[in-house]
Amino acid sequence: QSVLTQPPSVSAAPGQKVTISCSGSSSNIGNNYVSWYQQLPGTAPKLLIYDNNKRPSGIPDRFSGSKSGTSATLGITGLQTGDEADYYCGTWDSSLSAGQVFGGGTKLTVL
Amino acid sequence: QVQLQESGPGLVKPSETLSLTCAVSGYSISSGYYWGWIRQPPGKGLEWIGSIYHSGSTYYNPSLKSRVTISVDTSKNQFSLKLSSVTAADTAVYYCARHTLRLSNWFDPWGQGTLVTVSS
Repeated sequence: QSVLTQPPSVSAAPGQKVTISCSGSSSNIGNNYVSWYQQLPGTAPKLLIYDNNKRPSGIPDRFSGSKSGTSATLGITGLQTGDEADYYCGTWDSSLSAGQVFGGGTKLTVL
Repeated sequence: QVQLQESGPGLVKPSETLSLTCAVSGYSISSGYYWGWIRQPPGKGLEWIGSIYHSGSTYYNPSLKSRVTISVDTSKNQFSLKLSSVTAADTAVYYCARHTLRLSNWFDPWGQGTLVTVSS
């Protein structure tokens, strides 16, 4: 059971938009920055979004992030077949069991 | 650019200690950042193991803390992971990554990962 809750899967057609949610609590998302990672099949995760809504150099603006209260959302527009991957949210948890936590991951299928 | 490369045995026997090293190139560990280990059991999600600063300051996952030791060797520009008393549940792909911590938090870049299987 992950500290952060993500839907197991989402799907959409090429060219469409999809959002992936990440729900937490005041000890993690509510008081810390959120990052998002893309993991293509058989590869290492790659940073997509940091500090809730910032994109590293080289990440297209089709990818966006937002945060409100204890939840965060990753948005992907203009879906491409190459976007099929697992997506993970992550943040720091400041509770007594402090540490880096991740969501369980969401499998994106581009139909 | 910054690159990380994990190395170590791909097979470890139950009850023994798993040992991995992450070699960093393109950036001096002594210049800053934390450096972390993350693992991913086959078909499952990501689990943070722990992170270390060049000074030796560490943060560990509370659920693994009793079995984990992360160390840094600035002279070799690498950091290492030791996980003791392993069981089949520790079978996973182990990744190392640069960890931005304090005020913010993210992992970038990541190593390619190395599969460690715990089996007799």
